[in-house]
Parts: sequence; C-alpha cells; structure tokens
Amino acid sequence: EDKVVQSPLSLVVHEGDTVTLNCSYEVTNFRSLLWYKQEKKAPTFLFMLTSSGIEKKSGRLSSILDKKELSSILNITATQTGDSAIYLCAVDHAGNMLTFGGGTRLMVKP
Amino acid sequence: EPEVTQTPSHQVTQMGQEVILRCVPISNHLYFYWYRQILGQKVEFLVSFYNNEISEKSEIFDDQFSVERPDGSNFTLKIRSTKLEDSAMYFCASNSQGSGELFFGEGSRLTVL
Repeated sequence: EDKVVQSPLSLVVHEGDTVTLNCSYEVTNFRSLLWYKQEKKAPTFLFMLTSSGIEKKSGRLSSILDKKELSSILNITATQTGDSAIYLCAVDHAGNMLTFGGGTRLMVKP
Repeated sequence: EPEVTQTPSHQVTQMGQEVILRCVPISNHLYFYWYRQILGQKVEFLVSFYNNEISEKSEIFDDQFSVERPDGSNFTLKIRSTKLEDSAMYFCASNSQGSGELFFGEGSRLTVL
C-alpha cells in the first residue's frame, strides 16, 4: 500500500525560529514529491522535487529530496506568524494521482 | 492569475439526496481531478479525468460517484445518493501535463445530515 508519513504532527514555535518538517514515503513508481501549504481551504503549491539532493528554494522556504532514504524535508527559516498553516507533503506516482501525508500543523507565535 | 473555481462553497443535504459539485478548471489545462478531505483527515484522491474519460479512480469512487465534463469549461462531481460519511471538503484540481503540480480550487464543503 502506498504511504506518505509526515512528522511532527504539530509544531509550535516563536517568530524568528527555524523549523524542519519531515516527509517519508513508500510508493510504487515514484515520479515526484510535492509540498503544499494549506491555510484555510485550498492547498497552495510550494515545491516539486524530482531529483535527489537538489535543493529548491523560495525566499525563506527550502526543500530537498533524498531518494535513497525515501524522504524529504521542508525548512522554513526566520518564521513569521503568516507561516502558520498545515504543510502537506504529497507524492505523485503511477496513475496521475497524489498520495498525501497527514500534514504538519505549524503555529508560529509572535 | 488563472484559478480553479468551485461552486457551491458549502452545501447541506439530506442523506439519500443527489448532489452535484461544480468546478471550472483553468482554461488551458487538460487533466482534471477530484480530491476530498474529511474533517481532520488526509486529502484523498478520488478520480482523474482526461480526454473526456476517467483515467484513474480510487476505491472511494464507487458506483455512487460520477464525473462529467458537460461542456468546454465545467467539470462536475455527482454523488447519486449521499451518505453521512460523504460529508467532507471536496477539492477540484487541474493541471496541464497530468503529473506534478496540481492547482486546487477553494473547495466545496458538503454536509450530509
């Protein structure tokens, strides 16, 4: 059975802290791993990773894939209250479908 | 910026009633999807649709569910006879290449009483 697991389940930090969110997967026919941010309703796209070891970066957010370890991390530096959200990891595998993890709920306190 | 739009944003229905959720994908996208998220649970794949036919469906997508692209812009999800456990947020999504980044709509919250 295809599986995506995220940790931690939830995290509370203060503004300015750096956080690392984890995602591990076991799927057949891996194509890519995606990170989404879900604030109220729709997940919004952050990153898509296909190659191991190549960091993707967008402002204070960065992510990297480790295909050997079947995992990915999402880093957020200098966190702000606006980073408070649920961060979703999803794996694109055979069949045009994404399998999502359960998400990490991040709360950033002022 | 182009976006996926969904209607209604919230629908309340009685068990056993038929429900149609509507979506307008981004205009140049060719692949369309429905996902659902039961409150407090994971986002789950329901169905993918390309070239006017279903390309993949999950175990959740049983005979009570159907999808249709009735015209050049709308993409609908029909639940024929709703059950209590169908209560969830239903997300429509689309992309241009059938893999990778999905563009999600804001969701339609379905409450079955």
